[in-house]
Amino acid sequence: RKEVEQDPGPFNVPEGATVAFNCTYSNSASQSFFWYRQDCRKEPKLLMSVYSSGNEDGRFTAQLNRASQYISLLIRDSKLSDSATYLCVVPPLSGGYNKLIFGAGTRLAVHP
Amino acid sequence: EAGVTQFPSHSVIEKGQTVTLRCDPISGHDNLYWYRRVMGKEIKFLLHFVKESKQDESGMPNNRFLAERTGGTYSTLKVQPAELEDSGVYFCASSQTQGDTEAFFGQGTRLTVV
Repeated sequence: RKEVEQDPGPFNVPEGATVAFNCTYSNSASQSFFWYRQDCRKEPKLLMSVYSSGNEDGRFTAQLNRASQYISLLIRDSKLSDSATYLCVVPPLSGGYNKLIFGAGTRLAVHP
Repeated sequence: EAGVTQFPSHSVIEKGQTVTLRCDPISGHDNLYWYRRVMGKEIKFLLHFVKESKQDESGMPNNRFLAERTGGTYSTLKVQPAELEDSGVYFCASSQTQGDTEAFFGQGTRLTVV
């Protein structure tokens, strides 16, 4: 089983839609998680950190379900500029940004 | 402030040749990481420098890969001799202090071995 698994998508949604994708992780001891965003042929950029039950930042909400070992990312009122690949990332048990474990990513395409 | 910069952005080499990738971290960042993404797979950790010292090189695939960070500034990753399966995107990232601060990624070097 992979350490981090994501549905590769693509998720094709119209502007204004709400979309959610999940990520499952295998190590039940993991305490914190990240969502990164990667535009085509660009570098991954940190979108959100998730340290407890969840985190909200504007149109983006990340939730953590420890019992089922998954993290979700919800995007409300989708914009064209949200089109990207969203990477679920698990840091080492010691925390921080060393030796990050990446999922393969979920592609989102927002259309007019 | 300049971000993490990587050179070259693209490289196409023949199997058996040598390629050297360079990463310039954000000024003042002691931590420097190398990651790579091979076709269709997830981004995977290669190694971690703290200043000029290798902190963790557990992700290096084999001894054809050599990373250096002389003087604790920029880093190079040399592949010698390159094999077809080395093709992918090599990312470098840097962070200010160990663990707790965000790691910023460079745009990557796309390596194609033919």
